[in-house]
Amino acid sequence: DGGITQSPKYLFRKEGQNVTLSCEQNLNHDAMYWYRQDPGQGLRLIYYSQIVNDFQKGDIAEGYSVSREKKESFPLTVTSAQKNPTAFYLCASSGTGSIGMYTFGSGTRLTVV
Amino acid sequence: GQQLNQSPQSMFIQEGEDVSMNCTSSSIFNTWLWYKQDPGEGPVLLIALYKAGELTSNGRLTAQFGITRKDSFLNISASIPSDVGIYFCAGVYGAQKLVFGQGTRLTINP
Repeated sequence: DGGITQSPKYLFRKEGQNVTLSCEQNLNHDAMYWYRQDPGQGLRLIYYSQIVNDFQKGDIAEGYSVSREKKESFPLTVTSAQKNPTAFYLCASSGTGSIGMYTFGSGTRLTVV
Repeated sequence: GQQLNQSPQSMFIQEGEDVSMNCTSSSIFNTWLWYKQDPGEGPVLLIALYKAGELTSNGRLTAQFGITRKDSFLNISASIPSDVGIYFCAGVYGAQKLVFGQGTRLTINP
């Protein structure tokens, strides 16, 4: 079955360390997105990519980096420059011809200890 | 930036009751979407609305795209325990980017 997979489900990081969250899709979608979710808030866009080897900053890109070397993969690195990294991170993808109809992964909960 | 105001923020209802929630914006959107998120999971698309005034149903769920294109409503009839979760509205802007409301957390007492 086609889908989008995020790993790991839970991640603990020490302050000052970088950490990379994985996102893989086999839906043949061109566009991929990273969102951050905090309790009681909506989802906020971190980065997005509409095509391989190209990506753009979203609303809260500071302290994060991404790469899009393959169509299927869009990893997110949370760097030590991110001041408040503890959150639930969601990856999504969408195909052409399906306006706004995202498929989301099941998320990664990152906790800084 | 774009902002959506979703209300209510939370609802506590009895099983079998109907539910209504809405989303408003100062900006016009050409597409409105409603998602549901179960605890610890990603959101799942419930209904997509593409035309002002459109009324669309998905089982016990009905959503409407406001005539002004600045608002949308979601109704759930005869709620059941599996309706528990967080409901998000979203508007599409730019190149398929979404802006989300803050969410409505639905709790159902059996």
